[in-house]
Amino acid sequence: EAEVAQSPRYKITEKSQAVAFWCDPISGHATLYWYRQILGQGPELLVQFQDESVVDDSQLPKDRFSAERLKGVDSTLKIQPAELGDSAMYLCASSLERGSTEAFFGQGTRLTVV
Amino acid sequence: AQKVTQAQTEISVVEKEDVTLDCVYETRDTTYYLFWYKQPPSGELVFLIRRNSFDEQNEISGRYSWNFQKSTSSFNFTITASQVVDSAVYFCALSEAGDDKIIFGKGTRLHILP
Repeated sequence: EAEVAQSPRYKITEKSQAVAFWCDPISGHATLYWYRQILGQGPELLVQFQDESVVDDSQLPKDRFSAERLKGVDSTLKIQPAELGDSAMYLCASSLERGSTEAFFGQGTRLTVV
Repeated sequence: AQKVTQAQTEISVVEKEDVTLDCVYETRDTTYYLFWYKQPPSGELVFLIRRNSFDEQNEISGRYSWNFQKSTSSFNFTITASQVVDSAVYFCALSEAGDDKIIFGKGTRLHILP
């Protein structure tokens, strides 16, 4: 069964260091999302791509976070420098097209900043 | 503005009991979608159901059932004859037509005790 792949599953990093997460969406899915889930909260959208273009990054802290999807397939989310408050689960999701509203989520990357 | 409220932070029931998870939403759109997701300890978000705003029919899927009432802006989820494997965090979510962003509630942590 097709699934959204994310790596690494777990990451521990020291504050002020750079960290990157990778996501490979389901084959053929044009829309890709990055969500952040703080412990005890629901996921919140950070950035949405349609193919290689950013559709919505209004909630992305652009001073330290960046995201790219260069070939419109897999995507990387980077944090530089990491802060203690960035500790969270980072979830990637994909959907076949914009407006389909049926998003499939990966297992996430749990980031701990120490 | 969109908002999803799950007032129950944590629920514990004994196996085989029925349990209802409450969800109240706010939206100004007449066309929107409501979702329930399950998040087991492994971390991934598992899609359970999507309901559009024009379909108020209740839905049953095995031991799961959903009660959508536009008059009270509620979309409640009932598990009948609960099992230990149902233990997870459950999220209710909302998406407005034309906006792919999914707004999640804070989740309800469900403990099914053997």
